[in-house]
Amino acid sequence: DGGITQSPKYLFRKEGQNVTLSCEQNLNHDAMYWYRQDPGQGLRLIYYSQIVNDFQKGDIAEGYSVSREKKESFPLTVTSAQKNPTAFYLCASSNPGTGDEKLFFGSGTQLSVL
Amino acid sequence: QKEVEQNSGPLSVPEGAIASLNCTYSDRGSQSFFWYRQYSGKSPELIMFIYSNGDKEDGRFTAQLNKASQYVSLLIRDSQPSDSATYLCAVGFNFNKFYFGSGTKLNVKP
Repeated sequence: DGGITQSPKYLFRKEGQNVTLSCEQNLNHDAMYWYRQDPGQGLRLIYYSQIVNDFQKGDIAEGYSVSREKKESFPLTVTSAQKNPTAFYLCASSNPGTGDEKLFFGSGTQLSVL
Repeated sequence: QKEVEQNSGPLSVPEGAIASLNCTYSDRGSQSFFWYRQYSGKSPELIMFIYSNGDKEDGRFTAQLNKASQYVSLLIRDSQPSDSATYLCAVGFNFNKFYFGSGTKLNVKP
């Protein structure tokens, strides 16, 4: 089945530690996204990528980094510079330019600080 | 920053009634409009999308778009307890960026 796989489901970060969240899709979508959701809040865009080896900052990119070395993969690193990382992280993908630009989500990663 | 506004609720309706959820957006250049359902602790699930002014129906769901008023709504007919969730409105810009409202919590009472 086609879909978006995020791992791990739960992740704990120690102070000063960098952690990486995995996102893999087999939908053959060109665009991939990372969103952050805080309790009772909407989704805020961290980074997005429309093509391999290219990505753009979203509205809250500080303290995060990404890479897009393969079409299928878009990992997110939460660095020690992100002082309030506790949130639900959602990876998504879409296929812009096809006339069917819907956004689909993975199952999410809950990140907490120890 | 593109603004997408929703009433946070909770919106309570009895089982079998029509639930009406509303969303306004700030950018007149917005091109695509989506409604997602999100259960607690889960990821958003796409339930409706609309690109043109007017109504679009899919089963018990109807999406309504009025670009002149910058307004999009979702009607859920014959509401069921399983419809109880948070509904997120999303607006697409240039078909490659999507902005979300903070969601409306819907409670359907048996």
